Amino acid sequence: AQKVTQAQTEISVVEKEDVTLDCVYETRDTTYYLFWYKQPPSGELVFLIRRNSFDEQNEISGRYSWNFQKSTSSFNFTITASQVVDSAVYFCALSEVNTGNQFYFGTGTSLTVIP
Amino acid sequence: EADIYQTPRYLVIGTGKKITLECSQTMGHDKMYWYQQDPGMELHLIHYSYGVNSTEKGDLSSESTVSRIRTEHFPLTLESARPSHTSQYLCASSESLGQGPGNEQFFGPGTRLTVL
Repeated sequence: AQKVTQAQTEISVVEKEDVTLDCVYETRDTTYYLFWYKQPPSGELVFLIRRNSFDEQNEISGRYSWNFQKSTSSFNFTITASQVVDSAVYFCALSEVNTGNQFYFGTGTSLTVIP
Repeated sequence: EADIYQTPRYLVIGTGKKITLECSQTMGHDKMYWYQQDPGMELHLIHYSYGVNSTEKGDLSSESTVSRIRTEHFPLTLESARPSHTSQYLCASSESLGQGPGNEQFFGPGTRLTVL
């Protein structure tokens, strides 16, 4: 069974629009970690954020914000006032205590920001 | 900034050749990983290592092998390349200490392999 689901395969928005990327996870562990990575066309994955299962406080970093809700097993990512440089594939990932540091990645959401 | 390197960045090779993809990190991380990723698709873990002389197979079956003789070096070898091996291969590393499974993985730039 897929542990991390990113239902949105591709999203296109016009520059300056806000966009939310969805991530739903599945785990039986009480201690786990969630991550978001960005993969630009160059191919390298860039770490964006980590959240542990005991910290449901939402976080904002510039134009980026994350909404973690354990009740719905979701960890959604919002980009405000999108820019062309935000165009990339975004991956959500889960790491469980019982499986060490093995990451389970979602299938990714390809975001295209149209100028 | 992550200090993890992969060579070559691009490789085009004929069927049946033996190839080794190099991965090195200068951060002293104990844990290292190899992922296989088709363009725009999800990452699949094919090998990982939790330290020197430790190697394990990941979730995705792979005909490749790895070795971990030095902490900083985690090469991946294909004894006989086939067109089905055409893919991008990403190497990553992470710390063991601190948050353990909560530590982020740092990724290299990847090797795009094409087998003709």
